[in-house]
Amino acid sequence: QVQLVQSGVEVKKPGAAVRVSCKASGYTFTSYGISWVRQAPGQGLEWMGWISPYNGDTNYAQKFQGRVTMTTDTSTNTVYMELRSLRSDDTAVYFCARDDSSGWYSQAYWGQGSLVTVSS
Amino acid sequence: QSALTQPASVSGSPGQSITISCTGTSSDVGIYSLVSWYQQHPGKAPQLVIYEVTKRPSGLSNRFSGSKSGNTASLTISGLQAEDEADYYCCSYARGSTLVFGGGTKLTVL
Repeated sequence: QVQLVQSGVEVKKPGAAVRVSCKASGYTFTSYGISWVRQAPGQGLEWMGWISPYNGDTNYAQKFQGRVTMTTDTSTNTVYMELRSLRSDDTAVYFCARDDSSGWYSQAYWGQGSLVTVSS
Repeated sequence: QSALTQPASVSGSPGQSITISCTGTSSDVGIYSLVSWYQQHPGKAPQLVIYEVTKRPSGLSNRFSGSKSGNTASLTISGLQAEDEADYYCCSYARGSTLVFGGGTKLTVL
């Protein structure tokens, strides 16, 4: 079965960077893209961007351009999301999610989420 | 890109039907039939319940249905059950090859 297992809780200071990992299993890793979606406490979902493990192509939301980098490691079936210059309003649960078979604009499988807290 | 507009809350009694609206613009919902809906229970990851406006993932209850008219998409849940109580989010593909979510709707089953 398809599984996405994410890294654990992170606590960072303002201005620092965080890297969250998402290890995929149960399907051909390079056949489906991965999106990153975040959710601030008590708030809604926010799409951050997408990466293709097949060729490394990325598509970042304009809001995060220049501050986020998504990468893949096909040897370990893992996708990484790095967010830099952290601010307090980056405190959120960060989810990775795999494309549905219909296309990258729907996410059929989700990781369990990784809590990132930004605090001085 | 602004978030899609959803009502903050809706409610219904068991067995009834409810509809959640999702209003966008002519840059997203209005021109693309690429609206998805997600159900999220507290403390859990979202789950896809509708994709491409009207399609249900394999194995999902046919009590969930989707539609679209102009700039507004809708999710209807019929035969409401206690386990349907959750937050629901719409999401649309938007011009510029981006995705935009709605603010979310809390469904209460009375």
